[in-house]
Amino acid sequence: NAGVTQTPKFQVLKTGQSMTLQCAQDMNHEYMSWYRQDPGMGLRLIHYSVGAGITDQGEVPNGYNVSRSTTEDFPLRLLSAAPSQTSVYFCASSYSSGRTSEQFFGPGTRLTVL
Amino acid sequence: KNQVEQSPQSLIILEGKNCTLQCNYTVSPFSNLRWYKQDTGRGPVSLTIMTFSENTKSNGRYTATLDADTKQSSLHITASQLSDSASYICVVVSGAGSYQLTFGKGTKLSVIP
Repeated sequence: NAGVTQTPKFQVLKTGQSMTLQCAQDMNHEYMSWYRQDPGMGLRLIHYSVGAGITDQGEVPNGYNVSRSTTEDFPLRLLSAAPSQTSVYFCASSYSSGRTSEQFFGPGTRLTVL
Repeated sequence: KNQVEQSPQSLIILEGKNCTLQCNYTVSPFSNLRWYKQDTGRGPVSLTIMTFSENTKSNGRYTATLDADTKQSSLHITASQLSDSASYICVVVSGAGSYQLTFGKGTKLSVIP
């Protein structure tokens, strides 16, 4: 199993550009989520999905869109990049949304918006 | 508001020494507490998950304790190795509503030879 994979590893955007961060998992996990990690702060939840076709907002959803057409993939779209979106983005998955279900994180995408 | 506070922010220890990291939380109601290890440039990796009824859990040289009454947890690392250099993140899962995780800011541990 590859686990949770993310592409790209690094990305530089100009203000106003759009892009999609890719996330895939091969563990047949139902629950997937996106976080951002900023210096001096804990990880913050952007969006999550409890299964194909179902998504919901997390703590910091503004400026981001998600969709979940398959169990395996959960892409994160930046609609119009802003410098405040400079961050490291992590995708995570777990077998279910049960509260003791272990979360597996991807390696992250480091995004810089100029 | 649910909060998780970790201390110290950073710690430097000599290889072979032991250390203890602290986590205090105000998440209520409580479901479980997790410790993650995050190497530089990598995603977090789970070390332990402890529910309300568990007060100690070990994973190799890592031992986590939980006191649900005082809402405190600690992560003890025994006989530290250079590979233990990482950030250690405490995460508390709420026992109400949707699957909600509250993350601490982490403790950055440096193990030096």
